[in-house]
Amino acid sequence: SQKIEQNSEALNIQEGKTATLTCNYTNYSPAYLQWYRQDPGRGPVFLLLIRENEKEKRKERLKVTFDTTLKQSLFHITASQPADSATYLCALRPPYGQNFVFGPGTRLSVLP
Amino acid sequence: DVKVTQSSRYLVKRTGEKVFLECVQDMDHENMFWYRQDPGLGLRLIYFSYDVKMKEKGDIPEGYSVSREKKERFSLILESASTNQTSMYLCASSPTGKNSNQPQHFGDGTRLSIL
Repeated sequence: SQKIEQNSEALNIQEGKTATLTCNYTNYSPAYLQWYRQDPGRGPVFLLLIRENEKEKRKERLKVTFDTTLKQSLFHITASQPADSATYLCALRPPYGQNFVFGPGTRLSVLP
Repeated sequence: DVKVTQSSRYLVKRTGEKVFLECVQDMDHENMFWYRQDPGLGLRLIYFSYDVKMKEKGDIPEGYSVSREKKERFSLILESASTNQTSMYLCASSPTGKNSNQPQHFGDGTRLSIL
């Protein structure tokens, strides 16, 4: 079955820097990959979707890359702010699968 | 804006009780999902439904059942609660289609404790 790893459980960075979160997967390459944000005590909120034939996707200060050779997606937040502090989840859908499979998440803390 | 409402934020039940978790969405979405979220394990899919009265098992269905009598409502049932079912339960919905790539919209979760 698909195994998803997200870099260290927690990541601390200084305000204004670029945060980079990783999502690594094993086995088959997903057809689609999503990123979600989850605040404490709340449900995840969708941020971005990237397809396997797309190398990069941007939305305001967010950028997602997808490297099927490395079996990895990177999620970048540029000019990070304390309000970006949250847990970020990646979710993959296999080519033949019906549903997305979620990673364990990375808790990001942006320090003022 | 899509709203997914879960009936309780916190719930405490006893071992052996039958527990009902309710979820309602207001956007006429076909797809509905139940997950549990545990530290270090991420979200794990329990059951999902692509239509009224239709249900399919997810990755961890043992000890659970579901009901979808109306399109907007998806209920999760713990037939006989056990302590290993203590967890955060999240409901989600998404627009049409099996194999949909549409984003899922989540409720804020029910933190269930089984004593």
